[in-house]
Amino acid sequence: DTEVTQTPKHLVMGMTNKKSLKCEQHMGHRAMYWYKQKAKKPPELMFVYSYEKLSINESVPSRFSPECPNSSLLNLHLHALQPEDSALYLCASSQVLGTQPQHFGDGTRLSIL
Amino acid sequence: DAKTTQPTSMDCAEGRAANLPCNHSTISGNEYVYWYRQIHSQGPQYIIHGLKNNETNEMASLIITEDRKSSTLILPHATLRDTAVYYCIVRVNEAGGTSYGKLTFGQGTILTVHP
Repeated sequence: DTEVTQTPKHLVMGMTNKKSLKCEQHMGHRAMYWYKQKAKKPPELMFVYSYEKLSINESVPSRFSPECPNSSLLNLHLHALQPEDSALYLCASSQVLGTQPQHFGDGTRLSIL
Repeated sequence: DAKTTQPTSMDCAEGRAANLPCNHSTISGNEYVYWYRQIHSQGPQYIIHGLKNNETNEMASLIITEDRKSSTLILPHATLRDTAVYYCIVRVNEAGGTSYGKLTFGQGTILTVHP
């Protein structure tokens, strides 16, 4: 069982909908990450939070809006997504930024109609 | 981060050792070698990492050549549950660089363990 919990596991939404992905960890980690993984491709980094502050944004479109309300929780707010945004969205955490291995959740599989 | 090269796919018989190679000929002195794997329908799982010495944990062994230009991940007794995509990643572990904190995945090696 993974120690990083992502909800929901699956999400289908229309291009005009607003939805949020949630990620939670209780390992006391202070760095959290969002990755996007298209089918048969490796994960690609989207955002990194360190001590609840956004540290890295890999030029992600503004229709993806991350939020880190506390040290255990990471959200990804979605609005006006495109069909090409359909992918597996993975959350990860590490003790601090850049030094320790990252622990991944099993992802949210997102389909945009 | 240095680029890595891995074979696209490999096969291994159950119970035998699986040896997964990785080439990282442009690795810098402050870059570590990390291995992750991703089993189907799951998130990536950390396996092991090292700088220049060989490393071993409960999952695997990591052998790094003396010139650090290549490494091999060894699963000593592969099981069917080890069937996965294995990623070799080289990354800097020192603060301040533009790649600090990032994990850049390559295409990986699809390892299939068969009965």
